[in-house]
Amino acid sequence: GQNIDQPTEMTATEGAIVQINCTYQTSGFNGLFWYQQHAGEAPTFLSYNVLDGLEEKGRFSSFLSRSKGYSYLLLKELQMKDSASYLCAVGGNTDKLIFGTGTRLQVFP
Amino acid sequence: SAVISQKPSRDICQRGTSLTIQCQVDSQVTMMFWYRQQPGQSLTLIATANQGSEATYESGFVIDKFPISRPNLTFSTLTVSNMSPEDSSIYLCSVDLGSYEQYFGPGTRLTVT
Repeated sequence: GQNIDQPTEMTATEGAIVQINCTYQTSGFNGLFWYQQHAGEAPTFLSYNVLDGLEEKGRFSSFLSRSKGYSYLLLKELQMKDSASYLCAVGGNTDKLIFGTGTRLQVFP
Repeated sequence: SAVISQKPSRDICQRGTSLTIQCQVDSQVTMMFWYRQQPGQSLTLIATANQGSEATYESGFVIDKFPISRPNLTFSTLTVSNMSPEDSSIYLCSVDLGSYEQYFGPGTRLTVT
């Protein structure tokens, strides 16, 4: 079967660092994606990992370990505007994406 | 990147009726996808729509309930047929520009009473 797990909710303080984990079991692998979705809005692309290791993009970084079926999204210097849902998605054997349940992050002042 | 628009942005419909949602892209794309996002939930893929062929539906979704058209490379429609309150959801279209990165439309918020 296909399964993608993320924590349901997380909280953090403005200026802090937060790590959102994602584990997956899928048939086939064509990359792992992270999307950000603010309430009432469409998801927006954050990152794409297809090889093991860390990809850094400004305050956001994403890590992948294919052998462990594991990824994380690291958010540094948290801002209030980072309060959103973060969706982990895996590209399988076809061009479609399989989404996890999403992690709702709340940033407090 | 791609600019994607959807119509309508929201609607309130009565049980038993049908609603057609339109998705327009500002560039030609081969693959378009339709998702459903129920309140507080993540995205569930309904079907993949390629131009010139029938849509491919995911488990749990059927053509009679969610007929899809893909007349050209910039446009697609999804119809939610014979609606019930369980169909209340946000419906999103997305496109794949060939780099596995999908761009999403703003979504259509549907409420069925």
